[in-house]
Amino acid sequence: DAMVIQNPRYQVTQFGKPVTLSCSQTLNHNVMYWYQQKSSQAPKLLFHYYDKDFNNEADTPDNFQSRRPNTSFCFLDIRSPGLGDAAMYLCATSRPTDSTDTQYFGPGTRLTVL
Amino acid sequence: GQSLEQPSEVTAVEGAIVQINCTYQTSGFYGLSWYQQHDGGAPTFLSYNALDGLEETGRFSSFLSRSDSYGYLLLQELQMKDSASYFCAVRDGGYNKLIFGAGTRLAVHP
Repeated sequence: DAMVIQNPRYQVTQFGKPVTLSCSQTLNHNVMYWYQQKSSQAPKLLFHYYDKDFNNEADTPDNFQSRRPNTSFCFLDIRSPGLGDAAMYLCATSRPTDSTDTQYFGPGTRLTVL
Repeated sequence: GQSLEQPSEVTAVEGAIVQINCTYQTSGFYGLSWYQQHDGGAPTFLSYNALDGLEETGRFSSFLSRSDSYGYLLLQELQMKDSASYFCAVRDGGYNKLIFGAGTRLAVHP
């Protein structure tokens, strides 16, 4: 009954080697988000999609890109990972008509940069 | 801008009651949410308050005072499995875009 799925759960990459993280959802929600979370910190929003409309946070580095080919899938591309990009990456979804602002998170992908 | 403050750590014993406070500053307020996150896990939604007062869901309750820009999460009959981080969050306009507090790490001891 998984609703928000992230693959892989653990990803190891080398410094500077591009990496793609994937997220899929079975909830048919309009909005999808990507967060970066470092140890003992709050999730930090990188960007989000409302349907195909892309919304980048002002402080998200250009190194981070995203694609949403359809409602169900969303990808996070890190073009040249640095050591500081090692973190947990969380995907989440929401429904704009939800009066409680609930976001549904996937289990996350833990990225290690060597 | 938007900001939220909550204590960084709280410690309690099994069976006790603990209250995690959250104060916020927002340019527009829609509601206060609470999320739980276990180590290595994903945040999960716990509760939402749009109006003043107490919302109860089992052992967990959440309170909001909009005039004081303040809310809290109350956890009763604490269990070891309640050891986790708890985040308060407010909407940052837009499409259910949330701003999270820094999180409160709750440690429950026997």
